[in-house]
Amino acid sequence: EVQLVESGGTLVQPGGSLKLSCAASGFTFSDFDMNWVRQAPGKGLQWISYISSSGTVTYYTDSVKGRFTISRDNAENSLYLQMNGLTDEDTALYYCARDKPRWQQQHWFFDFWGRGTPVTVSS
Amino acid sequence: IQLTQSPSFLSASVGDSVTITCRASQGISTFLAWYQQIPGKAPKLLISDASTLHSGVPSRFSGSGSGTQFTLTISSLQPEDFATFYCQHLYNYPITFGQGTRLEIK
Repeated sequence: EVQLVESGGTLVQPGGSLKLSCAASGFTFSDFDMNWVRQAPGKGLQWISYISSSGTVTYYTDSVKGRFTISRDNAENSLYLQMNGLTDEDTALYYCARDKPRWQQQHWFFDFWGRGTPVTVSS
Repeated sequence: IQLTQSPSFLSASVGDSVTITCRASQGISTFLAWYQQIPGKAPKLLISDASTLHSGVPSRFSGSGSGTQFTLTISSLQPEDFATFYCQHLYNYPITFGQGTRLEIK
């Protein structure tokens, strides 16, 4: 059974840093691209970052570029999101979500999601 | 690419059929997916490639469209269908989602 379990979310002060983790199981992690998606309280979904299966290609939404870094450790079956320079606008539930397998050219959907880890930025 | 869903809020009864529209600010072929989110839960994939039903999703859900105009139709609403629905494009980066359509029981 595919499982994605996020962790690391907590209360952090404005300007602070945090590193989120996503532990994957039930599939060959190194075969799949991955994403982080967030949802502010009472708001919609916002895609924030993508990483290819090998970790060599990454993309970010403009609002987090230069502040957030996505990475992965395929040996540990883990996905990470390093977040620096946090502001109250980063307060959200952060989900990791599985993307396409490496042998597919096109992205079609995010088929598995974790339950999310909450990040609150407040003084 | 902006995705605009309409309506933002929908009230319907069990057994009704409803249609949600998602309009893209530029053509995205059929690189569009639909998700259902029940409060407190992660989004669940319903449809990809604009009209392909994901494994295990009931056949009362259907999608159509291409280019800039897409629809999600739910026929014969069941109690478990009341949730928020999001469209998502995967045409290029940044990937974006529609603002959501909340479906409530009348």
